[in-house]
Amino acid sequence: EVQLVESGGGLVQPGGSLRLSCAASGFFFSAFEINWVRQAPGKGLEWVSFSTTRGTTVYYADSVRGRFTFSRDNAKNLMYLQMDSLTAEDTAVYYCARFPGESYMDVWGKGTTVIVSS
Amino acid sequence: QSALTQPASVSGSPGQSITISCTGTSSDVGGYNRVSWYQQHPGKAPKLMIYDVSNRPSGVSDRFSGSKSGNTASLTISGLQAEDEADYYCCSYRSSSTIVLFGGGTKLTVL
Repeated sequence: EVQLVESGGGLVQPGGSLRLSCAASGFFFSAFEINWVRQAPGKGLEWVSFSTTRGTTVYYADSVRGRFTFSRDNAKNLMYLQMDSLTAEDTAVYYCARFPGESYMDVWGKGTTVIVSS
Repeated sequence: QSALTQPASVSGSPGQSITISCTGTSSDVGGYNRVSWYQQHPGKAPKLMIYDVSNRPSGVSDRFSGSKSGNTASLTISGLQAEDEADYYCCSYRSSSTIVLFGGGTKLTVL
């Protein structure tokens, strides 16, 4: 079964850090671009970050650039989102999604919840 | 990074058809045939319903269709059913470091 599973979410204080993981299975992970997408409570979807197949090119939304780092380990079928200097505005459900051909997101994880609060 | 523009809500009765619009610019919706639509039920992950403007993934009902004219894409749902009630998001590729742009989302109510 083609699957993405996020983990690593939780409660963190403002200014703190958290590392999210996304494990891929059922497909040739290293052949696909990947996006991270988040959704704040009661809000819409917001694109966060993108990685090419080898992780050599990574893009970030303005709202997270300089604070978040997207990396991937194709040998382990894993990707990570390192989140630093977190603020309340980063509170959201974070999804990883497969992004074939940089065109559409056909496989999504179930999401992991990040809450930034003191 | 302004979001694509969607109506906040639409509604229809069972059996009717509705259309959700998604307006962008020539740098995104109008410039590429990489518009996709996602359905999201409460507490669930988004589900791909339409890709590359008008293509349906395997398993998606043919009651869902997509189109594009200029800078505006549209999702049409025909023969509305109760299970279609959900939030719908459009999404477009754009050629910049902001590679993905979402619409603000449309809440579909089946009356």
